[in-house]
Amino acid sequence: AIQMTQFPSSLSAFVGDRVTITCRASQGIRSDFAWYQQQPGKAPRLLIYGASSLQSGVPSRFSGSGSGTDFTLTISSLQPEDFATYYCLQDYNYPLTFGQGTKLEIK
Amino acid sequence: EVQLVESGGGLVQPGGSLRLSCAASGFTFSSYWMTWVRQAPGKGLEWVANIRQDGSDKYYVDSVKGRFTISRDNAKNSLYLQMNSLRAEDTAAYYCARDFYGGSGYHGFDYWGQGTLVTVSS
Repeated sequence: AIQMTQFPSSLSAFVGDRVTITCRASQGIRSDFAWYQQQPGKAPRLLIYGASSLQSGVPSRFSGSGSGTDFTLTISSLQPEDFATYYCLQDYNYPLTFGQGTKLEIK
Repeated sequence: EVQLVESGGGLVQPGGSLRLSCAASGFTFSSYWMTWVRQAPGKGLEWVANIRQDGSDKYYVDSVKGRFTISRDNAKNSLYLQMNSLRAEDTAAYYCARDFYGGSGYHGFDYWGQGTLVTVSS
């Protein structure tokens, strides 16, 4: 199975900061890759698919980039509602695999 | 409005069985792949299984192969997960999700249910 490694596993930042979360695949996955946000006690929410396509309704401060093995999620100016846990997912082949998550906390 | 509502979770003894259901509404259910994802308490997300629109293709994570069966009834707009030989490590919230395909050919899980909790314990 393809392993997805996210870093950092946790991150503290201020409202207004620019933050970047990285995910690395254990083998090339083209752009078959997505980012999800999960608030405590809620279902995950799709943010980015195809590595860089912004899902409908997601604010433009979220952006994704990368291809092959290295991917990033950038939040250009953190808002209070962005403090959550973020997961990457490879959907290149089965079994689909998530990263272990990055918890973004308020500093 | 797209809605996915899971049901069927609960407490079950190790070795027992449970059938989860996911009732879909607000979209043409038969046009979408559907997926189950689970999350153990305090842990990350784990993809479990998915199924093609007509049920002809199904895929599973290795840890549930031979024990879990995903199925669907398009006439009833429902997705199912039959879980047999349950283990303590299957304890998790189970989410159903719709698999959305964007114009570029890439996809993601764009709508999720609220989750149903399965607890495997004696």
